[in-house]
Amino acid sequence: GESVGLHLPTLSVQEGDNSIINCAYSNSASDYFIWYKQESGKGPQFIIDIRSNMDKRQGQRVTVLLNKTVKHLSLQIAATQPGDSAVYFCAETNDMRFGAGTRLTVKP
Amino acid sequence: NAGVMQNPRHLVRRRGQEARLRCSPMKGHSHVYWYRQLPEEGLKFMVYLQKENIIDESGMPKERFSAEFPKEGPSILRIQQVVRGDSAAYFCASSPNEETQYFGPGTRLLVL
Repeated sequence: GESVGLHLPTLSVQEGDNSIINCAYSNSASDYFIWYKQESGKGPQFIIDIRSNMDKRQGQRVTVLLNKTVKHLSLQIAATQPGDSAVYFCAETNDMRFGAGTRLTVKP
Repeated sequence: NAGVMQNPRHLVRRRGQEARLRCSPMKGHSHVYWYRQLPEEGLKFMVYLQKENIIDESGMPKERFSAEFPKEGPSILRIQQVVRGDSAAYFCASSPNEETQYFGPGTRLLVL
């Protein structure tokens, strides 16, 4: 079946380093993707989105890359800060499916 | 513009009781989604509603669970005769356009 999944369940980085969180999707018809951040005890928070007619989109300290050939999505966080510690989900909105998420831990 | 509101934030029920979870979407949003999340797991889609209509309930258990989004008032997720396995966080999201979803803070249900 179609699915959205994450390659890595956990990621630990040093404060100030860059973080890369990966996501694979299998529905080739997917045309809109969103990254969410979920802090402990809170609901998911929209970070950045990208449509399938784009390869890259940048926000403040975050960049999303989309590779439609291999159906892969990544979220890059520059100069990771302790406040970035959370679980990150990618979502493919056509099917409203979320992966299990990647827990990012930032070490001071 | 207030965000998505959910209440109660925490709900404790005994087995066999009913749980009613409420979600008030953002102003101007007519699309509501309900998700369930177990600890250390992802969000599992349950149901998608527009005003007075259920659009997709493919993720909702066939028994004991129901959802509504009336013309006036919040969306309600209702769980009848709760069992311990219903303990989870239930998140509601709203959207103006079937794309970007904005999430509420969730209701944490504990069934004793």
